[in-house]
Amino acid sequence: QQQVKQSPQSLIVQKGGIPIINCAYENTAFDYFPWYQQFPGKGPALLIAIRPDVSEKKEGRFTISFNKSAKQFSLHIMDSQPGDSATYFCAASGNTGFQKLVFGTGTRLLVSP
Amino acid sequence: NAGVTQTPKFRILKIGQSMTLQCTQDMNHNYMYWYRQDPGMGLKLIYYSVGAGITDKGEVPNGYNVSRSTTEDFPLRLELAAPSQTSVYFCASRPGTGISGANVLTFGAGSRLTVL
Repeated sequence: QQQVKQSPQSLIVQKGGIPIINCAYENTAFDYFPWYQQFPGKGPALLIAIRPDVSEKKEGRFTISFNKSAKQFSLHIMDSQPGDSATYFCAASGNTGFQKLVFGTGTRLLVSP
Repeated sequence: NAGVTQTPKFRILKIGQSMTLQCTQDMNHNYMYWYRQDPGMGLKLIYYSVGAGITDKGEVPNGYNVSRSTTEDFPLRLELAAPSQTSVYFCASRPGTGISGANVLTFGAGSRLTVL
């Protein structure tokens, strides 16, 4: 119940394409769903996050879509650029206790020029 | 503002050796974490701390120990290193509850450890 399943493991798109990364969870107590972006040789950094009271959140070219009934959420990158090439992690945490983040296994995205 | 600083960046250990990975944050964050990252496995929580003097186990604590004597420092100790501990280790911190940005983790740049 603590797992967050992420797919695909890797993704290659051309510049301008719209990569989509999907995540699914089981624990209905989760109420915070962030995405972290990691460049090679760096630590992950928060990209965008959503709470289950909304179905979509946009920040620039990045959009999270959230489907509470299906327990799924996804990251869309509009007009993708080579600079978006990175590993993306979805995560989830609940609102009780320590609020530990549970991470997905990551998606390595390559945006070709 | 340095954020989260980890040392060393790289280290090679022999089986059975011990070492300490250092982590310091200058943001006065209450919560600190140690994760390990293995290819295709995501980030696994090793230990965490909610404040000075308080630590607890995460998902994969075996073979590791931590201490939190100050708010700033959260070292990770590896005792009797094994090849299974070859990984990239990340330290992270966040402010805690009731504060703007409380849920946002700030990560260090990582420490790559190889055990041969």
